[in-house]
Amino acid sequence: AAGVIQSPRHLIKEKRETATLKCYPIPRHDTVYWYQQGPGQDPQFLISFYEKMQSDKGSIPDRFSAQQFSDYHSELNMSSLELGDSALYFCASSYGPGWYFGPGTRLTVL
Amino acid sequence: QKEVEQNSGPLSVPEGAIASLNCTYSDRGSQSFFWYRQYSGKSPELIMFIYSNGDKEDGRFTAQLNKASQYVSLLIRDSQPSDSATYLCAVNQNYGQNFVFGPGTRLSVLP
Repeated sequence: AAGVIQSPRHLIKEKRETATLKCYPIPRHDTVYWYQQGPGQDPQFLISFYEKMQSDKGSIPDRFSAQQFSDYHSELNMSSLELGDSALYFCASSYGPGWYFGPGTRLTVL
Repeated sequence: QKEVEQNSGPLSVPEGAIASLNCTYSDRGSQSFFWYRQYSGKSPELIMFIYSNGDKEDGRFTAQLNKASQYVSLLIRDSQPSDSATYLCAVNQNYGQNFVFGPGTRLSVLP
């Protein structure tokens, strides 16, 4: 069965650089969620989109922005990267009960 | 107080035993409850969801929900070493909206 796709899987950036993470939801899934998971921590909700509109907002820094496109894929744009942004970034999609997570993008900020 | 609480563990059980994972939540308006399994460095994998009070069984897994006590649990029967992972409880208030994760319980099944 098709799963959530995220790219890139690994990303290394330097402080103050920008990064773009992409998420391709499961076909027919209309809702996308972004989560950040630091080492040893539970996933923290960043932002979500339903039918291409922002539906909920969590602890997303002002340096980050996101959008969902007409094909339902979503991109998380991160600017002025800081060391503390190093984490696993998960995207999840849903259409009905349950959220299905992608494999994540591991971002390392040096 | 976190909205969703779990014992961090590690919870160690012998192979073949029943593992019992517990989760409590603070928001009485919560409507749906999910259990995810996460292996180290991997993304959370949905195991089960439950909406109604009582038990829901799926293979070796049983989810139990008691809304009056604001408590949800996951039982794993015939535990296998491959069940060793962190189990995340997730709760949301309204269908389709974001949910809140608990800190997770680390389960270790000893061969």
